[in-house]
Order: sequence, then structure tokens, then C-alpha cells
Amino acid sequence: DAGVTQSPTHLIKTRGQQVTLRCSPKSGHDTVSWYQQALGQGPQFIFQYYEEEERQRGNFPDRFSGHQFPNYSSELNVNALLLGDSALYLCASSLGLAEPWDTQYFGPGTRLTVL
Amino acid sequence: AQKVTQAQTEISVVEKEDVTLDCVYETRDTTYYLFWYKQPPSGELVFLIRRNSFDEQNEISGRYSWNFQKSTSSFNFTITASQVVDSAVYFCALSDNTDKLIFGTGTRLQVFP
Repeated sequence: DAGVTQSPTHLIKTRGQQVTLRCSPKSGHDTVSWYQQALGQGPQFIFQYYEEEERQRGNFPDRFSGHQFPNYSSELNVNALLLGDSALYLCASSLGLAEPWDTQYFGPGTRLTVL
Repeated sequence: AQKVTQAQTEISVVEKEDVTLDCVYETRDTTYYLFWYKQPPSGELVFLIRRNSFDEQNEISGRYSWNFQKSTSSFNFTITASQVVDSAVYFCALSDNTDKLIFGTGTRLQVFP
């Protein structure tokens, strides 16, 4: 049973650039959530996608955008990168039609460094 | 507003000691879920347990046990007879009525041989 996968593992960008991170959900899951984890902090919710639409969003600027494809995989895009965007980006998948608050299972993350 | 507090930043123990990780939460919702996740150095968050707000029964899974007390808004996690492989950062999380996870700042557990 394939778990949540993310690519790339590591990424180095410079300020002002744009980046795209990718996530494939666990087999059977249709909902993808993205979190940002700064060093030494707990993960912070960015947004969640279900049925190819953004279902809810955390307190992140519009520079952070996403997409979900028909196969339920998802992308996180960040434009105009800032030094403060350096973090571990975690993707989590769950079952959207299950009871509310279905358990989210996480991928290994993408570590983004902005220079 | 929802909030999760993990007051213990770092705990160090010697193998075979018991250790308890504290978690205090705040929410105005009557229905909510609480979680514990483990984050080893590899970075992946590993799901450990989920409890709903209507089930205060304590749970034991091998060396792990959880104590949920609504009266004190706490959901504490105990590892019995700790092992070096238990070394990781442990996060407590709350799921509010919007289905997003709200995490605490984590407790780093170091188990020395």
C-alpha cells in the first residue's frame, strides 16, 4: 500500500523565484492538505484540496497557491520567494467523504531553502 | 480560538525510564479530535493516535499510553520503558470543525542508552 509521496526531497531557490512542490496521496485518499513547518516549530496549515478545489485555507498570502489533479495528486506553488519561506513543506492525505476530521497521513516532506 | 500547548520543549531520559509528554488544548467546539504524531529525524510525521472529544477512555498500545481528560483539557502521552528508537519530536494536534490540524510546538525526546 503506497503511502504519501512528495517530490523533490530538497530544493534550493533564490529570493524572488517561484517553486512548485508535488504530492501524491496515499492509495484510496482523495483529499490533500499542505503544511509549512519552520525550523523548531509545529506544522502550520496552508490549504486543503478536495475534488480539485481549494476547500479551506490557512493564514498564508496569495503567493501560496495550489492545484489538485483528477488523479488526486496535488501541487503547491509559491511565487516571489522570501527568505522566510525556507521550511519543510509537508503534504498530508485523507479521505474527504469519510466522517469529519478523517486522520491525515503525512509524506516525508520537501525541504525548501531560499537564499 | 483553537490552540495546542506543549510546554516541554525537550526531555532527556535514559533507556528503560518512563516518560510523559504533556499536551494542553483550547477549543470552544464541543466536537473535536486530538492527535499525536511522531517526527523522527527523517522529517515524516508518523500518526500515533486519534481520539474524539466524546471518548475519554484511556488507551494503551504496547509501550504507549494516552490519558485524555476533558476537565483539564489535557491529552498526555506516556512511553513506558523508553528505547533509543523513541527519540524523536512528538507533536500533539487538535482538529477543529474545519478539518485542519492545529499543532503544538512539539516536544523533543532524547533517549540515551
